[in-house]
Parts: sequence; C-alpha cells; structure tokens
Amino acid sequence: GQQVMQIPQYQHVQEGEDFTTYCNSSTTLSNIQWYKQRPGGHPVFLIQLVKSGEVKKQKRLTFQFGEAKKNSSLHITATQTTDVGTYFCAGTSGTYKYIFGTGTRLKVLA
Amino acid sequence: DGGITQSPKYLFRKEGQNVTLSCEQNLNHDAMYWYRQDPGQGLRLIYYSQIVNDFQKGDIAEGYSVSREKKESFPLTVTSAQKNPTAFYLCASSTPAGQRNNQPQHFGDGTRLSIL
Repeated sequence: GQQVMQIPQYQHVQEGEDFTTYCNSSTTLSNIQWYKQRPGGHPVFLIQLVKSGEVKKQKRLTFQFGEAKKNSSLHITATQTTDVGTYFCAGTSGTYKYIFGTGTRLKVLA
Repeated sequence: DGGITQSPKYLFRKEGQNVTLSCEQNLNHDAMYWYRQDPGQGLRLIYYSQIVNDFQKGDIAEGYSVSREKKESFPLTVTSAQKNPTAFYLCASSTPAGQRNNQPQHFGDGTRLSIL
C-alpha cells in the first residue's frame, strides 16, 4: 500500500538555526498538504501544494513539491520557540483519503 | 463560528465495554475522517466517509465501527474487540480528497481514551 515517510523523526535546534523536514511517498501524489501539531493539540493546516515543482512561502516557512510529485519538503528559516511542534505531511494519490507521514518533531532550544 | 466538536475530551473504558466517541461538524463538509494517534506517532486512518450513509475502512479498522446517518455527525465506536484502544482519537472533515480544489482537513480537539 501507499506509504509516506518523513525524515528526520526528531530534530533539536538552537533558536535562530534553520530546520528542514523531508517527506517521501512510495507513489506519485495528486497533491500534498502540511500540518503542524503543537504538543497536546490537534493538527492545524499550513499549506497545500498541487503542481509539480511548486514552491510556496509563508513568512519564514518554505514549502516545495518535487518535480516527480513523490517528495516534498518544509524549510523553516531562523527558528523561533513558537515553531515547536510536530510537522506532518499528508498526501493523496487521487483516492478519497489522505495518507499522513510519520511526522517530524521539532524542539527549539532558547 | 464553524468547526468540529469532539466529545468527550477524556474517556475511560472498562474491559469488555464498548464506548462511542462523538464528532459533530457545522462546516457543511461532505467528507469526515477518524484517525488514531499513539504517543510520538503519526496519524493512522481508522474509517472515512465521503457522503451520508456511506463509509470506508481505513488502515486500522479492526475493532472499530462507525455510522454516518447525518452529514454533520460521524460517531466512532470502540468495541471490546479492540484490545489496545488507549490512544488519542482525532476526527476531521473536509471536502472529499481527490477533487481538484481540495480543501484542508479541519480537526477537532480530540478524545483521549484510556483503559481502566
């Protein structure tokens, strides 16, 4: 079945350092979404990517969708303590459900 | 104010007991989903529904059951057949995945289920 893997599983960074998480699918995706889950909270939608090679930015966050639409990345520039949480990607291959990645837990040390 | 309401926030189950988790949405979304999240883990799909009176098994449906009698409601029953039910359960809704203009999934605050 379809699998979506994320690396790394955990990342500890000093405040001000950059952070990147990578998402890889075993199959070609129709689109991919990114979510952030704060500790004890629920996932909150960040962004959706649809086109091959698409790049979108939200302030310090940059999202990319691979040319083959099988991988994606989220890059945070100059992390802040408010960035703490687990970041998930979720992709669909045209079926009526999303497959969530395994998540990357980010800790930011002040 | 639109959103998804899950109740209860905390739930305790006795051995051999069935329990039902509530999920209600007023976002007028056709699709609803139930996920299970274990500590430090990702989200695993239990059941999903694209339309009223129809639902499909996800990746870990064994020991769970659902109904979709109303567009707004998608309750999940954790049956006694689910031997390891302790987890964080999240309900979500969206326009159906696979359409060109997919909308994000909106999540409820979740229900934490524990075994007594």
